[in-house]
Amino acid sequence: GENVGLHLPTLSVQEGDNSIINCAYSNSASDYFIWYKQESGKGPQFIIDIRSNMDKRQGQRVTVLLNKTVKHLSLQIAATQPGDSAVYFCAERSGGSYIPTFGRGTSLIVHP
Amino acid sequence: EPEVTQTPSHQVTQMGQEVILRCVPISNHLYFYWYRQILGQKVEFLVSFYNNEISEKSEIFDDQFSVERPDGSNFTLKIRSTKLEDSAMYFCASRKDRENTEAFFGQGTRLTVV
Repeated sequence: GENVGLHLPTLSVQEGDNSIINCAYSNSASDYFIWYKQESGKGPQFIIDIRSNMDKRQGQRVTVLLNKTVKHLSLQIAATQPGDSAVYFCAERSGGSYIPTFGRGTSLIVHP
Repeated sequence: EPEVTQTPSHQVTQMGQEVILRCVPISNHLYFYWYRQILGQKVEFLVSFYNNEISEKSEIFDDQFSVERPDGSNFTLKIRSTKLEDSAMYFCASRKDRENTEAFFGQGTRLTVV
């Protein structure tokens, strides 16, 4: 099947910096994308989503950008805090299915 | 805030034994899911459940797996004869209804098959 994958397995940043986590997908039929945050010992937690008819969506301190031309998705976290340290997964859905397909994850480490 | 709860948090079992992982979804949710995550790997979909029947399942969800909603609150995953490769974190998730796309995940059950 087609895959959703991440460019960087680990990202280290200083507290206060902005973080950018990238994700590539290959399924051109994907029409809905989600970013999840998974803290150690916990289940994935929904952060933000975006539909394929949008290029950008903003939440509280987070922004998701979607570039359908190159099948690329990014999560930007502003003013990163130690509490943002976690593994971040992108996920995609297609064909009307409500089942997200997860990518492999990027570990974000925020240094105080 | 309502949450999905899973028990036990950690289950150790011998290869070949049956295990039942339990989940209590959020009470007014209609869609239920099981996922697994092998250590260091991505989260993999196993099965979705709606209206007392399986609505979708992955290739992983073979005849060794089954799900049940025995009452109005619990949602269980049974593995009939566990294998070493079944060792993973198993996550239950629930979604409110067709209009709400966000799924809420439980804390997971770590299954260790020895």
